[in-house]
Amino acid sequence: DIQMTQSPSSLSASVGDRVTITCRASQAISNYLAWYQQKPGKVPKLLIYAASTLQSGVPSRFSGSGSGTDFTLTISSLQPEDVATYYCQKYNISPWTFGQGTKVEIK
Amino acid sequence: QVQLQESGPGLVKPSETLSLTCAVSGYSISNPYYSGWIRQPPGKGLEWIGSIWHSGSTYYNPSLKTRVTISLDTSKNQFSLRLSSVTAADTAVYYCARTPPGVGATDYWGQGILVTVSS
Repeated sequence: DIQMTQSPSSLSASVGDRVTITCRASQAISNYLAWYQQKPGKVPKLLIYAASTLQSGVPSRFSGSGSGTDFTLTISSLQPEDVATYYCQKYNISPWTFGQGTKVEIK
Repeated sequence: QVQLQESGPGLVKPSETLSLTCAVSGYSISNPYYSGWIRQPPGKGLEWIGSIWHSGSTYYNPSLKTRVTISLDTSKNQFSLRLSSVTAADTAVYYCARTPPGVGATDYWGQGILVTVSS
């Protein structure tokens, strides 16, 4: 099975900083990658699918890129409401594996 | 609007079968969607359990495949999860979710239900 590895596991940044999270697949998955945001105590929310397509209603400061095995989620200007854990998920074929998560905090 | 709501016992004894139901409103599970389950142990990350296509084809996490069954009840517009021979490691918040094929990712989630495995 294809493994999904996120880095870093956690990060702390200041409001207004540019934040980048990486997700690496152990085999190529084309662009079948999604990013989710889970705020503390809340249900995960879809941010991006097809590696770079922003889900409706998601702020434009979130963006995704990549194809094949290497993907990134970027927050262009970190806001206090972005404190959350972010997960990538591949969905080219079953199993639809999640990464282990990246916890984002405000410095 | 689209809503999914999990229901079932919050406490299951070890070696028994965990059974959950997801009631869907706002769309028909008979239409081309994947209906699936995802779980999250306390303080840990997300684990995909499996999904079922509207036609009934199922896809399971290999690590759980021998114990999992996901099924549809189109007459009630709901789908179900059964996980047999549970242990404490199956204690988690269980989410039901919808995945549209055009998107491929999960766009709607239930609120989640905490299931504790304990005697």
